[in-house]
Amino acid sequence: DIQMTQSPSSLSASVGDRVTITCRASQSISSYLNWYQQKPGKAPKVLIYAASSLQNGVPSRFSGSGSGTDFTLTISSLQPEDFATYYCQQSYSISWTFGQGTKVEIK
Amino acid sequence: QVQLVQSGAEVKMPGASVKVSCKSSGYTFSNYYIHWVRQAPGQGLEWMGWIKPNSGATNSAQKFQGRVTLTTDTSITTAYMELSRLTHDDTAVYYCARDVKDCSGGICSNWLDPWGQGTLVSVSS
Repeated sequence: DIQMTQSPSSLSASVGDRVTITCRASQSISSYLNWYQQKPGKAPKVLIYAASSLQNGVPSRFSGSGSGTDFTLTISSLQPEDFATYYCQQSYSISWTFGQGTKVEIK
Repeated sequence: QVQLVQSGAEVKMPGASVKVSCKSSGYTFSNYYIHWVRQAPGQGLEWMGWIKPNSGATNSAQKFQGRVTLTTDTSITTAYMELSRLTHDDTAVYYCARDVKDCSGGICSNWLDPWGQGTLVSVSS
């Protein structure tokens, strides 16, 4: 199975900060990388698909980049509603895998 | 609108089986794979497998092979996930989600949208 490793596991940030989360795949996955946001007690929702494409309705402060094994999710100016846990997920192989998650907390 | 509605919470004894349903609406059910993902309390997301509704073809993560059965009933646009030989470690929220595919830009990408609301399965003696 392809292993997905996110860093950091958690971070504290203030409203207005620029936040960057990284995701590394154990082998090349081209651009078959998605990012999800999950709030407590809720199902995840997709933010970014195909590494850098913004899902309809998602604010433009979210962006994704990368290809191969290294990927980044950036929030350009953190808003109160962005405090949540973020997961990367690869869809390159027939069996999908998620990263372990990055919890973004209020500083 | 596209919606996935899952069955209610379950409490099971160790060694039992559980079957969770996922009722789809708002789109052509047969045209989209359904995935199952679980989340143990306080833990991350764990991908379990997918089913192709129009053929019944399935694929599951190696750790669940032999223990998970994915099925669909296209007449009622519902997908099912049955997990057998439950242990305490199977206590989790189980989600179904629709596989969306986009083939623009020369490659075909897949992602999960939307997700069901989740079903809590508790395994307790």
